Amino acid sequence: HLQLQESGPGLVKSSETLSLTCTVSGGSISSTNYYWAWIRQPPGKGLEWIGSIYYSGSAYYNTSLKSRVTISVDTSKNQFSLNLSSVTAADTAVYFCARHIIPVRSGFDYWGQGTLVSVSS
Amino acid sequence: QSALTQPASVSGSPGQSITISCTGTSSDVGTYDLVSWYQHHPGKAPKLIIYEDTKRPSGVSNRFSGSKSGNTASLTISGLQAEDEADYYCCSYAGNRHWVFGGGTRLTVL
Repeated sequence: HLQLQESGPGLVKSSETLSLTCTVSGGSISSTNYYWAWIRQPPGKGLEWIGSIYYSGSAYYNTSLKSRVTISVDTSKNQFSLNLSSVTAADTAVYFCARHIIPVRSGFDYWGQGTLVSVSS
Repeated sequence: QSALTQPASVSGSPGQSITISCTGTSSDVGTYDLVSWYQHHPGKAPKLIIYEDTKRPSGVSNRFSGSKSGNTASLTISGLQAEDEADYYCCSYAGNRHWVFGGGTRLTVL
């Protein structure tokens, strides 16, 4: 049974970089055709797709965040990571990692429970 | 890409049916047959309940069904049960390797 678990600091200072890791268990992050994603939910708001990555390292990002986002993968640890630079209070959110369905355009079938990251001034 | 529009809340009594709408544009919902729906109990992992507009993943109750007309997708839950009380989100592929979500709908089972 596939499981995803987010980890990282719960508090980040404004203008600094938010860094989170998603650890995948019960399956390989290198499985063919599966992409992996980061999604967030600001308090009281809906979900926002941040970006996605393939185990090869090929990644694509939400246009609105592209200048500040980097997603990377570490197949040896079965993990993928999110870096979001120059954060502001607007980046306060619960951050989820998820796996894309096959085909990738169809959505997300497994999710982590999410981790709250607050940005302080 | 703009967020998809969902009603903030819906409610129904046990045994009844409810429908949640999800309105997008001709650039997302109206173009691609790729709307998915998620059930989210706060504090837990969101659960996929509908994908590709109408398909149910294995293990999801057939009380959940999806449909679409034009730029609006809908999720119907029949035979409401107490455990259906949760937040529901729609999502659509928006082209150019982008996905857009709705603002979420809080379902209350009275």
